[in-house]
Amino acid sequence: IQLTQSPSFLSASVGDRVTITCRASQGISSYLAWYQQKPGKAPKVLIYTASTLQSGVPSRFSGRGSGTEFTLTISSLQPEDFATYYCQQLSSYPRSFGQGTKLEIK
Amino acid sequence: EVQLVESGGGLVKPGGSLRISCAASGFTFMSYSMNWVRQSPGKGLEWVASISASSSYIYYADSVKGRFTISRDNAKNSLYLEMTSLRAEDTAEYYCARDHYLLGSGNWFDYWGQGTQVTVSS
Repeated sequence: IQLTQSPSFLSASVGDRVTITCRASQGISSYLAWYQQKPGKAPKVLIYTASTLQSGVPSRFSGRGSGTEFTLTISSLQPEDFATYYCQQLSSYPRSFGQGTKLEIK
Repeated sequence: EVQLVESGGGLVKPGGSLRISCAASGFTFMSYSMNWVRQSPGKGLEWVASISASSSYIYYADSVKGRFTISRDNAKNSLYLEMTSLRAEDTAEYYCARDHYLLGSGNWFDYWGQGTQVTVSS
């Protein structure tokens, strides 16, 4: 299953609302997770099962979707949110990741 | 506190072999499936392999199938990745990640180690 994220790069300002899209090449129900990765660090899970917020993750992060189209929204960007974001499907093996979306400060 | 600590990375020549390890603590290791994920320099995440709690189910990415072997020792709370016939394109940071499964919610990778660097170069 191929996952395609858009955009690949996103420039935004603190306080902006941003949305990242992840499209699957075939239906994966709601078996999708979102991760955040900062330079030199391991990825950190934000959202699982498409829309469930991982414990400890700020509520400004939200996820939606099912089937083949999913979104990650950050309602009001904070300085610590500038990072790279990946979606991952867990419907079947191989457990593929999207190519990533790098969120940069405008 | 859940901790995953990788070790064993290093520089290896093309065609060579290497075994990397992941030491787990702070949770009941034998109850969880585990995974290896890698990231080449400046690139995205690539899932490499998964192993179920009792080692009954093992899966590999096509890019490593036949060359890499994932295994675990539940008595030692350790996960391993034996890598053979290494190629330049296997150069990457290798992360171990815990697979969390919840009935009705599916799976996700909830804890990750800090990674171990594997460099394949002559």
